Amino acid sequence: NAGVTQTPKFQVLKTGQSMTLQCAQDMNHEYMSWYRQDPGMGLRLIHYSVGAGITDQGEVPNGYNVSRSTTEDFPLRLLSAAPSQTSVYFCASRPQGSNGYTFGSGTRLTVV
Amino acid sequence: ELKVEQNPLFLSMQEGKNYTIYCNYSTTSDRLYWYRQDPGKSLESLFVLLSNGAVKQEGRLMASLDTKARLSTLHITAAVHDLSATYFCAVASGGSNYKLTFGKGTLLTVNP
Repeated sequence: NAGVTQTPKFQVLKTGQSMTLQCAQDMNHEYMSWYRQDPGMGLRLIHYSVGAGITDQGEVPNGYNVSRSTTEDFPLRLLSAAPSQTSVYFCASRPQGSNGYTFGSGTRLTVV
Repeated sequence: ELKVEQNPLFLSMQEGKNYTIYCNYSTTSDRLYWYRQDPGKSLESLFVLLSNGAVKQEGRLMASLDTKARLSTLHITAAVHDLSATYFCAVASGGSNYKLTFGKGTLLTVNP
């Protein structure tokens, strides 16, 4: 198993550009989520999904869209990037009925 | 809204000393996680605490959970330099405990 794979690892965007952060897992986990990590803020939940076709907002959803068309993939879309979205983004997954989360290696995004 | 407070946020220790990191949370939960993060890396799971009075130990780290007091502790015994990292607690909430709310993290530096 590759676990949770995030791509790209690093990205620089200009203000107003759009992009998609990819997250894929090969463990058949039902639950997937996106967090952002900012210095001194811990990790904050952006969006999450409890299964294919089901998504919901977390603590800081504004400026981000998600979809879950398959169990394996949970992409995070920035439609119009802003400097405030400069952060490190982590994807995590967990199987239903289990307690353990698996985190991806992260995507470091800079918006200039 | 669930709030998670960790203290201290910064901790500088000498090797061989003991210390405790505290994690308080504001609403009922019976599932609490401790993670370790090294600079530039992802989160490494340390402990999952699932019930009141739960205690888990791994090497020089011991975690406990008091759900009545809404308090978890991470105790470090005889610190060594390799324990230098940022430690996060996270509290689960929502249906099936899918959502994690993180503390801001404790940056631990162990000095020789």
